[in-house]
Amino acid sequence: GIQVEQSPPDLILQEGANSTLRCNFSDSVNNLQWFHQNPWGQLINLFYIPSGTKQNGRLSATTVATERYSLLYISSSQTTDSGVYFCAAPYNQGGKLIFGQGTELSVKP
Amino acid sequence: EAGVAQSPRYKIIEKRQSVAFWCNPISGHATLYWYQQILGQGPKLLIQFQNNGVVDDSQLPKDRFSAERLKGVDSTLKIQPAKLEDSAVYLCASSLVPHSYQETQYFGPGTRLLVL
Repeated sequence: GIQVEQSPPDLILQEGANSTLRCNFSDSVNNLQWFHQNPWGQLINLFYIPSGTKQNGRLSATTVATERYSLLYISSSQTTDSGVYFCAAPYNQGGKLIFGQGTELSVKP
Repeated sequence: EAGVAQSPRYKIIEKRQSVAFWCNPISGHATLYWYQQILGQGPKLLIQFQNNGVVDDSQLPKDRFSAERLKGVDSTLKIQPAKLEDSAVYLCASSLVPHSYQETQYFGPGTRLLVL
């Protein structure tokens, strides 16, 4: 099955700074999702992005399927962006998601 | 549209006790998933239902864990007896399109279990 690796494992930013989170996957995918897990544990869908680029406010994501990686960009970071960011890809075609280990982001005021 | 509902939100039990978690998926979602998230790790699938049938339970410790989804809507996950290593967050997720790798999964708030 597919393996998913994320980097960096943790990141500390000053409010207003930009950041890039990376997700590498071991096999070709037809589905790549980014989630934000807030300090209360809720997993919030950010992007469903099997390929190409999408933007939602200060966040954007790019997946290069042929090179097996995805990037999540956070611009003008805010303290509310703190939490853990996960990427996940499906195991074969069964629907279950294989998650990376996450990037823990802390944005300081 | 209401999201995925889970209860209880928190549970503390002693080892060897039993515990049950409940999940109500988004209305109309055919596929339901239970994930276990241990502190510091990403979620890992325990069991996947398609309507009321099991699609994947390969990672479910069947000697102590059981799950059901009667009538293809709500689901319960049970642990009996609990072990210390079962301390984790149990997340329920659902998706609309059955058995499709192209469908977004939506997660509930989770149940935090602490086994003492």
